[in-house]
Amino acid sequence: GNSVTQMEGPVTLSEEAFLTINCTYTATGYPSLFWYVQYPGEGLQLLLKATKADDKGSNKGFEATYRKETTSFHLEKGSVQVSDSAVYFCALSDLKGDTGRRALTFGSGTRLQVQP
Amino acid sequence: DTGVSQNPRHKITKRGQNVTFRCDPISEHNRLYWYRQTLGQGPEFLTYFQNEAQLEKSRLLSDRFSAERPKGSFSTLEIQRTEQGDSAMYLCASSLTRQGWEQYFGPGTRLTVT
Repeated sequence: GNSVTQMEGPVTLSEEAFLTINCTYTATGYPSLFWYVQYPGEGLQLLLKATKADDKGSNKGFEATYRKETTSFHLEKGSVQVSDSAVYFCALSDLKGDTGRRALTFGSGTRLQVQP
Repeated sequence: DTGVSQNPRHKITKRGQNVTFRCDPISEHNRLYWYRQTLGQGPEFLTYFQNEAQLEKSRLLSDRFSAERPKGSFSTLEIQRTEQGDSAMYLCASSLTRQGWEQYFGPGTRLTVT
């Protein structure tokens, strides 16, 4: 079955530091890959996505590249801000042919704490 | 576009009671998903609707759980005879077929069973 593995947190960085959150996946088909972010007290928000190998998703200074050869989708940002403090979830979506379902399979999340 | 809404936001109930949650998806979205999230974990898939048809249920969805989506609009998730293990955040998401498969999540309903 499908699975997503993320690096454990919390990750604690100083403002303007470089961020990497590792994500690897196992899937039987050709999944789409996503990063979702959950700010304190809020719901999950889509941060970025990539739908095929070598695609790069980007948004708000965050980037991730779909690497099929290493089954990875690592999240990076060049300079983090205090406002980036949140929990980040890597997820994949694979088509289940008989029902058309594209439910998401999530990693366990990585908490990022950015200190001023 | 008002986003996905869920009610109530918080529910505290005693073990053995029944509870019902409501999800209102984005208006034109034909697909609706329910997930459950426990502390420190990512959301896990529970069930999926395409329009009014419930096409799939996860093995996490025991017989005490039932979900409906009448007329393909809002959806309800009912838990009968609640147990302490049902305490979790229940998330609803919606999407539009072929619109990038992106799912938009509601704020969730946090259930506490005492």
